[in-house]
Amino acid sequence: GAVVSQHPSWVICKSGTSVKIECRSLDFQATTMFWYRQFPKQSLMLMATSNEGSKATYEQGVEKDKFLINHASLTLSTLTVTSAHPEDSSFYICSARDMPENQPQHFGDGTRLSIL
Amino acid sequence: GQNIDQPTEMTATEGAIVQINCTYQTSGFNGLFWYQQHAGEAPTFLSYNVLDGLEEKGRFSSFLSRSKGYSYLLLKELQMKDSASYLCAVLDSNYQLIWGAGTKLIIKP
Repeated sequence: GAVVSQHPSWVICKSGTSVKIECRSLDFQATTMFWYRQFPKQSLMLMATSNEGSKATYEQGVEKDKFLINHASLTLSTLTVTSAHPEDSSFYICSARDMPENQPQHFGDGTRLSIL
Repeated sequence: GQNIDQPTEMTATEGAIVQINCTYQTSGFNGLFWYQQHAGEAPTFLSYNVLDGLEEKGRFSSFLSRSKGYSYLLLKELQMKDSASYLCAVLDSNYQLIWGAGTKLIIKP
């Protein structure tokens, strides 16, 4: 149980392109979803938290107009990296959690984004 | 501020036992998680402790002492596939998950 599917797993695109990443909880209701990014050999960095039907809460330093998050249903959240540039290249990982709030976060397999 | 400390790297031998420690100072406490992350992959959930004591799950056990702000993950009968980073994370009073930087465990034959 507690499977989270994330697509695509790998994206290579030109600078200026917008990239959409999907995160789905397959067998549970994801009341809350989280988006992280991770640079090589560094720890997870939380970008934003989203609750179904609400606007996402972004961490300090994360541009909300750059990283658009939509959590329209209890099983789907999307992250769109708008007008991506080489410095946006990273490993993006989503996680999902059901209620109550002390439930563990279950992670998708991650999306490796490379901007040329 | 909120702080979680764990060793950066540890080395152990296949078949042996290793203990990975985690100390924390957070604003409130609603539980502590351990995750395993293989290189290039996303983290996977290992354990959750909210009460003091030892939780055993197969070859892996996790211990918590809330009064000491301390936890450890114990891995027995180490296998090569256990080579990974192990992440300690604490749920604070606002139910925000505070992540440690992770401990890279290297298993040698």
